[in-house]
Amino acid sequence: DGGITQSPKYLFRKEGQNVTLSCEQNLNHDAMYWYRQDPGQGLRLIYYSQIVNDFQKGDIAEGYSVSREKKESFPLTVTSAQKNPTAFYLCASKRDVYYTFGSGTRLTVV
Amino acid sequence: KNEVEQSPQNLTAQEGEFITINCSYSVGISALHWLQQHPGGGIVSLFMLSSGKKKHGRLIATINIQEKHSSLHITASHPRDSAVYICAVPLNSNSGYALNFGKGTSLLVTP
Repeated sequence: DGGITQSPKYLFRKEGQNVTLSCEQNLNHDAMYWYRQDPGQGLRLIYYSQIVNDFQKGDIAEGYSVSREKKESFPLTVTSAQKNPTAFYLCASKRDVYYTFGSGTRLTVV
Repeated sequence: KNEVEQSPQNLTAQEGEFITINCSYSVGISALHWLQQHPGGGIVSLFMLSSGKKKHGRLIATINIQEKHSSLHITASHPRDSAVYICAVPLNSNSGYALNFGKGTSLLVTP
């Protein structure tokens, strides 16, 4: 079945370490998105990509980086510059008007 | 930016009750999405609607384009309906049509 795979589901890292969250889709969707969710807050856009080798900053891109070398993959790196990295991270993709969501990665930085 | 407001923020109901969750947005849209988020975080798309009403099982979603308002109804609620329900609308091409999400309505249905 087609879908989005995010891994891992839970991730723990020490403060000051970079960490990369994986997002893979086999839906042949052109657009992909990364969102962050904090308790009591709506999902906020970090980065998005509409085609391979192109991506744009969202509302809260500081401290994050992405790449889009393949249509299927849109990894997100949480760098040590991100002041409050502990959060739930959601990957999504879109084709036409249809959106698909991953199951998310809960990152805890200690 | 298309602001999305949901109400109520939290809702507790007894099993069997009829539930309504509301969503308002500020800018005209092509379609509105209702999503469900269970504990643990995974998000499931419930409805995408651009006009009128859609029904799936015990869930009904309605939208009034003129009033920029949508409602999600759950009939004969059940404890397994306990989840966070989120309304989302697409941003414009300047944001790659990313979805802008409401803060969600946390629903608890008790036996």
